[in-house]
Amino acid sequence: DQQVKQNSPSLSVQEGRISILNCDYTNSMFDYFLWYKKYPAEGPTFLISISSIKDKNEDGRFTVFLNKSAKHLSLHIVPSQPGDSAVYFCAASRGSNYKLTFGKGTLLTVNP
Amino acid sequence: DVKVTQSSRYLVKRTGEKVFLECVQDMDHENMFWYRQDPGLGLRLIYFSYDVKMKEKGDIPEGYSVSREKKERFSLILESASTNQTSMYLCASRPSAGTGENEQFFGPGTRLTVL
Repeated sequence: DQQVKQNSPSLSVQEGRISILNCDYTNSMFDYFLWYKKYPAEGPTFLISISSIKDKNEDGRFTVFLNKSAKHLSLHIVPSQPGDSAVYFCAASRGSNYKLTFGKGTLLTVNP
Repeated sequence: DVKVTQSSRYLVKRTGEKVFLECVQDMDHENMFWYRQDPGLGLRLIYFSYDVKMKEKGDIPEGYSVSREKKERFSLILESASTNQTSMYLCASRPSAGTGENEQFFGPGTRLTVL
């Protein structure tokens, strides 16, 4: 049973445009969500997170939106840059639980 | 900056061999994790440890064991490697639960090939 779903395996956008990566979850007990970015042959790096008490969190070019009623979150990257090309993983956790549950990832390609 | 290091970037082993993957973190984190990453399957949790000598099974522990004798070191052991354990193995660490955020810090990964 996949509790965190990233339904788009890949996404291609032009440099300078907006990238929107989507993530859905099924477990209503999840209350903390994170996005990680992963380049080939490297470990994932933390990008941005959001608590369920918020519906938006911004950090520079990256914004995460959370819609709790729809159990949906999205990552917006504006403007997209070629260096943003990577696999993006959505992850979720319950309270102070140790575990993160990851989605399968979305490969973002930003074309110059 | 948190640093998580893994003993090997690339490893090739034969079926039936015992394999040790080592992970060390330098930020005094209580919690450590082992994941494997496979194409189309994302990151799947194998084992985690919330303190020295403590361990708990993750989602896919079969065929693996772990050891945490010191706080900074978490080892993943493949008792008898099989070809279906060919994968990218990722170690992560984080402070103890309840410290605020659930961000985990990842090492660079070990690409293991079992022939």
